[in-house]
Amino acid sequence: QKEVEQDPGPLSVPEGAIVSLNCTYSNSAFQYFMWYRQYSRKGPELLMYTYSSGNKEDGRFTAQVDKSSKYISLFIRDSQPSDSATYLCAMSAGGGSNYKLTFGKGTLLTVNP
Amino acid sequence: NAGVTQTPKFQVLKTGQSMTLQCAQDMNHNSMYWYRQDPGMGLRLIYYSASEGTTDKGEVPNGYNVSRLNKREFSLRLESAAPSQTSVYFCASTFLALSYEQYFGPGTRLTVT
Repeated sequence: QKEVEQDPGPLSVPEGAIVSLNCTYSNSAFQYFMWYRQYSRKGPELLMYTYSSGNKEDGRFTAQVDKSSKYISLFIRDSQPSDSATYLCAMSAGGGSNYKLTFGKGTLLTVNP
Repeated sequence: NAGVTQTPKFQVLKTGQSMTLQCAQDMNHNSMYWYRQDPGMGLRLIYYSASEGTTDKGEVPNGYNVSRLNKREFSLRLESAAPSQTSVYFCASTFLALSYEQYFGPGTRLTVT
């Protein structure tokens, strides 16, 4: 079993829809959970991060972490065509002098006007 | 600030040729990373440098070498390119303490024929 599993999609939704993106993981040492957004032919950029379990909200975006189920989610409310991108979950156990991230494969999202 | 820059943007090599991918950051970051991104495989860590003067292998180091030239620059060398190294290569950097936020460059698209 891979450490991080993410459905690659593609996912296509109409403008204004609520989008749910998910990842599961197997390494119980993961404490830091991130979502990166990657536009076509660009490098990834950090969208949100969460430490341990709980919810975090930033505008139209909400990140949820359920460590007991080893499951993380990203919700996008009132989705816009500009949200069309690949969304990558990433995780880290932290600690030590260097933090390595383990990425999911990414989910390709298209928001149609 | 330019952030993380990578050269070249595109490259075509023949099998057996060598080349060096260059990466530089102007954010005074301590840690730097090289990833490759392939369809269906997500981002995979090739090598990383926790701080100037140190380098370590990541998930897929075979066929690559790296040099942390100074705090700003981290290069990736392919000594004898193979078609399996056709990929998009991303360089990233981060502060040690805030390492969940990795800043990525725009990528180098490499094709090996």
